[in-house]
Amino acid sequence: QQQVKQSPQSLIVQKGGISIINCAYENTAFDYFPWYQQFPGKGPALLIAIRPDVSEKKEGRFTISFNKSAKQFSLHIMDSQPGDSATYFCAARFHSNYQLIWGAGTKLIIKP
Amino acid sequence: DAGVIQSPRHEVTEMGQEVTLRCKPISGHDYLFWYRQTMMRGLELLIYFNNNVPIDDSGMPEDRFSAKMPNASFSTLKIQPSEPRDSAVYFCASSLGDRDTQYFGPGTRLTVL
Repeated sequence: QQQVKQSPQSLIVQKGGISIINCAYENTAFDYFPWYQQFPGKGPALLIAIRPDVSEKKEGRFTISFNKSAKQFSLHIMDSQPGDSATYFCAARFHSNYQLIWGAGTKLIIKP
Repeated sequence: DAGVIQSPRHEVTEMGQEVTLRCKPISGHDYLFWYRQTMMRGLELLIYFNNNVPIDDSGMPEDRFSAKMPNASFSTLKIQPSEPRDSAVYFCASSLGDRDTQYFGPGTRLTVL
């Protein structure tokens, strides 16, 4: 019940296309859903995050869509650029202890 | 502002040796997390501290691993004795408890031969 399932494991998208990464969870005690971006040789860094009281959050080319009833959330990258090539992690946090439960990661490659 | 600082950035050691990884969290942050990242298992939480006190060490793989936080600005993760399967990138992250973001350090790449 503590798992966050992320898919796909890897994704190749043409420059200018839309990249979509999906995550699903079971535990309704999660209250915060961030996406982290990790470049090779670096630590993960927060990209965008959402709380379950909203269905969508947009920051520039990055959008999180959240479906509370389905217990799913997804990251959409519009107009994908080669600089977006990275590994993306979704996560979910327990309100009670601030612990993040991480998805397995998606390696995104944007082809020029 | 300095971010989370980790040292060393790379460590190569031989099986059976003791390894100590170090972390300096962002000043003022009251939560500190140690993670391990491998291709096979992804990002795993090993242990986390709140106000220098270990809260959950259930992710520590075995007794060979230990972590301490003697003060608010320093933490260590020790592996003794090290084994080849401990080879991974170890990340330290910190956060301010009532805020949402965990800030990660650059990681320590550990290779145990």
